[in-house]
Amino acid sequence: EAGVAQSPRYKIIEKRQSVAFWCNPISGHATLYWYQQILGQGPKLLIQFQNNGVVDDSQLPKDRFSAERLKGVDSTLKIQPAKLEDSAVYLCASSPDRASYNEQFFGPGTRLTVL
Amino acid sequence: AQSVTQPDIHITVSEGASLELRCNYSYGATPYLFWYVQSPGQGLQLLLKYFSGDTLVQGIKGFEAEFKRSQSSFNLRKPSVHWSDAAEYFCAVGAGWGGGADGLTFGKGTHLIIQP
Repeated sequence: EAGVAQSPRYKIIEKRQSVAFWCNPISGHATLYWYQQILGQGPKLLIQFQNNGVVDDSQLPKDRFSAERLKGVDSTLKIQPAKLEDSAVYLCASSPDRASYNEQFFGPGTRLTVL
Repeated sequence: AQSVTQPDIHITVSEGASLELRCNYSYGATPYLFWYVQSPGQGLQLLLKYFSGDTLVQGIKGFEAEFKRSQSSFNLRKPSVHWSDAAEYFCAVGAGWGGGADGLTFGKGTHLIIQP
C-alpha cells in the first residue's frame, strides 16, 4: 500500500513570495490533515478535510494560508505571501475516516525555508 | 482545549538500558492518546495508541505505554533500547469522535539519544 505522498520535499523562497505544497493521501482515505511543524516543536494542526469539505481550519492563518481538496482526493496548501516565521516542515496526514481512534498516516513532509 | 506536556526535551540512555519517556495531558473528557516516533527526514510513525480498556498498551518495536487517569499521564516505556531507537518521540492527544474535529494536539517532543 502506497503511503502519503508529498511534494516538493524541500523549498527555499524569499519572504513575500508565494509557495504551494501538494499532498496525495492513501487511496480511499476520506480525511486529510495539514500540520505545521516548527523546528523544536510538535506538529500543529492547520486544517482538516473530510472528503472535499473543511472540518476544522481554526488554526489556519487565513490572511496568508489557503488550502483546498477539490475532488476529495489530493490537496494543495498555499502560502501567499510568505513570512520568515513560516519556515517549518509541513506535514500531510490521512485517515480512513473521521474519528480519533483511526490512525493518522503521515507523509514525509515538505521543509520550507523562508529567507 | 486539550494540551500535552513532555517535560524532557532530551534524554540520553545507554544501549540496552531501559527507557521511560514522560507525557502529561490536559483534556476534559476521556482522551485518545498516541505516541509517535519521528526519525530524521522521516514522517511520523505511530508506535501505539490508547482509547479505552486495558490501561497498559503494547505497541510496535517493543514499546509499551501506561495510561494513568489519576495522574493525567501516558508514559512510554521500553525495557531495553537499541541504537536504532534514537529519534524524536511525540505524545499526542485526540479529542475523540463526537462529530467534531479530530486533529491531534502534540507535545513538543523528546529527543532520545542512545549512548553505545
